[in-house]
Amino acid sequence: QVQLVQSGAEVKKPGASVKVSCKASGYTFTSYGISWVRQAPGQGLEWMGWISAYNGNTNYAQKLQGRVTMTTDTSTSTAYMELRSLRSDDTAVYYCARLEQGYGYWFDYWGQGTLVTVSS
Amino acid sequence: QSVLTQPPSVSAAPGQKVTISCSGSSSNIGNNYVSWYQQLPGTAPKLLIYDNNKRPSGIPDRFSGSKSGTSATLGITGLQTGDEADYYCGTWDSSLSANWVFGGGTKLTVL
Repeated sequence: QVQLVQSGAEVKKPGASVKVSCKASGYTFTSYGISWVRQAPGQGLEWMGWISAYNGNTNYAQKLQGRVTMTTDTSTSTAYMELRSLRSDDTAVYYCARLEQGYGYWFDYWGQGTLVTVSS
Repeated sequence: QSVLTQPPSVSAAPGQKVTISCSGSSSNIGNNYVSWYQQLPGTAPKLLIYDNNKRPSGIPDRFSGSKSGTSATLGITGLQTGDEADYYCGTWDSSLSANWVFGGGTKLTVL
């Protein structure tokens, strides 16, 4: 069965960086893209970007351009999301999700989430 | 402020029907396919509807989706207390920034 298992919770100081991992299993990793979505406490879902596990192409949300980098390691079927210059408003649960495509696009499987807390 | 507009909350009694609207524009809903997600408290979102009106395997037919013009609707019939959750619509936005966009979310309360 398809599973996305994320790394554990992180506590970071403002200005630091965080790198969250998402290990995929149960499917051919390079056949799908991975998106990252975050959710601040008590808030809605915010799309952060997408990476093709096939060729590494990326598309980042405009507001995060320059601070976020998404990568994949096909040898371990793992996707990574690094966010730099952390601020207090980056405190959120970060999810990875598999991107499926038919007529449109959708996120069919999600990781369990990783809480990132930014605090001095 | 979300690009897609959803009502903050809806409520209905067990066994009743409820609809959740998602309003957008020609750059998103009007020219792209919509998906819907259910997020139970403290858990990751779960896919409910894709390609406007298709259900993944395992999702009961109590859940339905539709789209007309620049709006989409999620319908839930035979409400159960276990349906209490936040519901989000989402779609691709084909504007210059070319981003995926979510609605602000709707909290469903089953009274």
